[in-house]
Amino acid sequence: DTGVSQDPRHKITKRGQNVTFRCDPISEHNRLYWYRQTLGQGPEFLTYFQNEAQLEKSRLLSDRFSAERPKGSFSTLEIQRTEQGDSAMYLCASSLRSSGPSGNEQFFGPGTRLTVL
Amino acid sequence: TQLLEQSPQFLSIQEGENLTVYCNSSSVFSSLQWYRQEPGEGPVLLVTVVTGGEVKKLKRLTFQFGDARKDSSLHITAAQPGDTGLYLCAGAHSGGSNYKLTFGKGTLLTVNP
Repeated sequence: DTGVSQDPRHKITKRGQNVTFRCDPISEHNRLYWYRQTLGQGPEFLTYFQNEAQLEKSRLLSDRFSAERPKGSFSTLEIQRTEQGDSAMYLCASSLRSSGPSGNEQFFGPGTRLTVL
Repeated sequence: TQLLEQSPQFLSIQEGENLTVYCNSSSVFSSLQWYRQEPGEGPVLLVTVVTGGEVKKLKRLTFQFGDARKDSSLHITAAQPGDTGLYLCAGAHSGGSNYKLTFGKGTLLTVNP
């Protein structure tokens, strides 16, 4: 296993279009996270799955955003009716649920860079 | 809202110099992670510190967690151009939300040959 993968790496779209990103976590990891990072900022938490259950959504995640993890493995993040303000790096991370502090260790994918024109 | 402030925001040094970057908060974290990120890539985990006062070393990098688990520092000895990157600290919340990481804005380090 080579780590978390994300597809596509880059996406350019026109305002109003829908886009979907995919994340494949490390195979034995049951926790999956989505973050968004804009220029000059650290990643901001968007949502979190434990297996197939979406357990938390940030208020940053407007109604135009939806995330799924149907079989508890890969996840998709869809943005409907994209806006220029959605331009950012979308990062996926995974971790292994653990009772110890190592359960907080999240491993990130390379990200999907979204540009909305 | 639990915030992490990193300083300095930018740091440009010559190869061979030593440096320290800081990560501070008014909140207590159950653990704190340091990541390094290169342009166009995702953050790469360097270390996790858990216990107040803990010190961890990774080759030329030394990480320290504050006694009260509210702050942390990263010291690099004899910096090399390959150390160039964005250094991010991230705190894991306490209690039931301990899966959630709060990131600082990062320190952008440039090591000039």
